[in-house]
Amino acid sequence: GQSLEQPSEVTAVEGAIVQMNCTYQTSGFYGLSWYQQHDGGAPTFLSYNALDGLEETGRFSSFLSRSDSYGYLLLQELQMKDSASYFCALDTGRRALTFGSGTRLQVQP
Amino acid sequence: GAVVSQHPSRVICKSGTSVKIECRSLDFQATTMFWYRQFPKKSLMLMATSNEGSKATYEQGVEKDKFLINHASLTLSTLTVTSAHPEDSSFYICSAPDPGQTYGYTFGSGTRLTVV
Repeated sequence: GQSLEQPSEVTAVEGAIVQMNCTYQTSGFYGLSWYQQHDGGAPTFLSYNALDGLEETGRFSSFLSRSDSYGYLLLQELQMKDSASYFCALDTGRRALTFGSGTRLQVQP
Repeated sequence: GAVVSQHPSRVICKSGTSVKIECRSLDFQATTMFWYRQFPKKSLMLMATSNEGSKATYEQGVEKDKFLINHASLTLSTLTVTSAHPEDSSFYICSAPDPGQTYGYTFGSGTRLTVV
């Protein structure tokens, strides 16, 4: 099976940069996704890494290292609206995602 | 982007009754939809994969007779929680591959089920 671990909570201040890590165990996968979920809301797609390295989308960047079974999501210029839960998820080719435990980001003024 | 409409957003039902949750793909056809369950402050756990025109595929440990899934058309998948019990209270979310994204999925807004 697959498993993904994420820190449960991270706190940062407005305007800062925050990195949220994800370590995983799997026998094989196609890529690592990142989703944002506000309380009571639907997850929204942020980023996908099929290959090792950094993918940048605006204020969001995601990184993958297959050799280290590790990835992270980087948020720059933090805004209050970024307070949410962030999930990493493995794409194993089954077309459904296996989600990590999620990191709850609290942005403070 | 592609939109999946999920209804109802909240439902309260009595123990022993059944509840139906609908997910519709509004501007695209979804041959496959996924149903997840999420407990407070926890991750999304895949319950089953819904396939248009064929039987759903359930994850290990999910009772197929309790969580009935029907994918009657290319735009509609339903999840019926039968003989609901308080332990079925949870947040249920459907999802489908987003045709506008190479790798992304689009999610419904979720249904908060409370069984009393």
